[in-house]
Amino acid sequence: GENVEQHPSTLSVQEGDSAVIKCTYSDSASNYFPWYKQELGKGPQLIIDIRSNVGEKKDQRIAVTLNKTAKHFSLHITETQPEDSAVYFCAAIFNAGKSTFGDGTTLTVKP
Amino acid sequence: GAVVSQHPSWVICKSGTSVKIECRSLDFQATTMFWYRQFPKQSLMLMATSNEGSKATYEQGVEKDKFLINHASLTLSTLTVTSAHPEDSSFYICSAGSDVYEQYFGPGTRLTVT
Repeated sequence: GENVEQHPSTLSVQEGDSAVIKCTYSDSASNYFPWYKQELGKGPQLIIDIRSNVGEKKDQRIAVTLNKTAKHFSLHITETQPEDSAVYFCAAIFNAGKSTFGDGTTLTVKP
Repeated sequence: GAVVSQHPSWVICKSGTSVKIECRSLDFQATTMFWYRQFPKQSLMLMATSNEGSKATYEQGVEKDKFLINHASLTLSTLTVTSAHPEDSSFYICSAGSDVYEQYFGPGTRLTVT
């Protein structure tokens, strides 16, 4: 089955700096890669996603890149703000199948 | 759009009783719903996949007789924890999807069994 590794497990940055979280996956058949933000006591919120036929996608301060050959994808957050502090999860999915999640990254943005 | 609700948001029950958690897609029809369990500071663990009108598919190691899932309509799925015990205490989260790809998560239900 699919296996997703996520790094780093914790990340601390100064407000205004950039943050990068990386994930690798094992199943080359996976074709959809979402990123979720989870705040304490809440459900995950989809913040950006990318499909396997695209190499990069951007939405304001958030971007995701995908390297299918190397089987890894990354989340980039620019101009970080304290409200970006949360746990971020990546996932890999094949079509409408079940998601395989990374272990999560706790991002802390220091004001 | 794409709002998923869960009810209740938190529940405390006594050991041996059953608890039902509802998951609703409010503004779209969900062909598939997923139920997850999450322990503190850990990732989401998939429990089962639920399709409207058919039996749920449980992940290995999940007791189907203990965690009863019913996907009665395209907007409602329920998870019933039967004969709950303290080790069932956890954060339960559902997700729903209508598209081939996107899934949207509910806010979660905190279950505490005393």
